[in-house]
Amino acid sequence: QSALTQPASVSGSPGQSITISCTGTSSDVGAYKFVSWLQHHPGRPPKLLIYEVSVRPSGISDRFSGSKSGNTASLTISGLQAEDEADYYCTSFTRMSTRAFGTGTKLTVL
Amino acid sequence: QVQLQQWGAGLLKPSETLSLTCTVYGASFSGYYWTWVRQAPGKGLEWIGEINRSGIANYNPSLKSRVTISADASNGQFSLKLTSVTAADTAVYYCARWAIYWGQGALVTVSS
Repeated sequence: QSALTQPASVSGSPGQSITISCTGTSSDVGAYKFVSWLQHHPGRPPKLLIYEVSVRPSGISDRFSGSKSGNTASLTISGLQAEDEADYYCTSFTRMSTRAFGTGTKLTVL
Repeated sequence: QVQLQQWGAGLLKPSETLSLTCTVYGASFSGYYWTWVRQAPGKGLEWIGEINRSGIANYNPSLKSRVTISADASNGQFSLKLTSVTAADTAVYYCARWAIYWGQGALVTVSS
């Protein structure tokens, strides 16, 4: 199975908003609502930010939001903060009953 | 509070079998997806496989011939076995109750 496509890096200044895209196919992102976004700081376990395209788990800031259009999902982080600097991964359920990860995006807060 | 505690051998030789176990504390075992994910040095996250709500295991096609994920619900544990390891299997391995609860991660190094 192929990895979902994300930009390798994005950057923004504190207080700004950024959006990370996640492009898949009609066999994964486009087929299901089961798209999630994870934040990963090196040396720590990943942290779930968004599940089922746009749902935030309890305790996750409303600065994080998710959406989907066709085969592309997006994560928007508003009001950037220094602690948001991390790697971000999308993931989707697939028609093969597997899960695919995105290629990962490194967010730099300038 | 849900916690996942994982353990297993951290140093393997090529051709050996990787074996990791994850114990679940503070949560029912049934009704969830129990997943293994890894991250090789300098690489992104890779989904290895999972046991679904029906108790059926699904695997990454690229690893399917070498992977077995099993569960022992009575003891609240699930396990990963990966046979015939090579240096390419060197990674930090994570167990998870998809996708909200994660183990602490375990570095497995394959080296002769």
